[in-house]
Amino acid sequence: EVQLVQSGAEVKKPGESLRISCQGSGYTFTTYWISWVRQMPGKGLEWMGMIDPSDSYTNYSPSFQGHVTISADKSISTAYLQWSSLKASDTAMYYCARFLIHGRNFDYWGQGTLVTVSS
Amino acid sequence: QSALTQPASVSGSPGQSITISCTGTSSDVGGYKYVSWYQQHPGKAPKLMIYEVSNRPSGVSNRFSGSKSGNTASLTISGLQAEDEADYYCSSYTSSSTLVFGTGTKVTVL
Repeated sequence: EVQLVQSGAEVKKPGESLRISCQGSGYTFTTYWISWVRQMPGKGLEWMGMIDPSDSYTNYSPSFQGHVTISADKSISTAYLQWSSLKASDTAMYYCARFLIHGRNFDYWGQGTLVTVSS
Repeated sequence: QSALTQPASVSGSPGQSITISCTGTSSDVGGYKYVSWYQQHPGKAPKLMIYEVSNRPSGVSNRFSGSKSGNTASLTISGLQAEDEADYYCSSYTSSSTLVFGTGTKVTVL
């Protein structure tokens, strides 16, 4: 069974750094890209970017380029989303999703990680 | 990259059919067959319902169907059921090799 399991909820202060994770199982992790999607409270889905775990090649949305870093460790089948300096506006639910290159769609999703940034 | 345009809300009675539109440009929806649709219930992760405009993943009810004309894609839910009440998002691949989601549509079963 394909599963993407994300790390738990985080509460941080503005200016702090953070890395959240997404571990894949039930499939060959390096065969599929992993995307990250943001959903701010009460709002819609926003595509942030994606990574090819086989070589760590990344592709970012222009809206998120430079604000976050996507990485992966294929030895432990885990992708990461990282901030160096959080802002209150980063408060959101973050989903990872498996991305199918041939169909350009997201077929499996993680359960989501809620990030709250507040002073 | 601007979000694709969807109606904020659509409603229908049980058993009826409803259609949700998703309007983009020739650089996204109109230029590729890579339009997909996702269902999201409150507090849950999105679920893939339609991919490549009109294909259903295994396990998705055949009451869900998709189509595209020009720069607008559509999701039709026939035989509306209470369990269909959720938010729906379209997504498209773009000419910049990125992905973009729609603004989202809340479906209400009356």
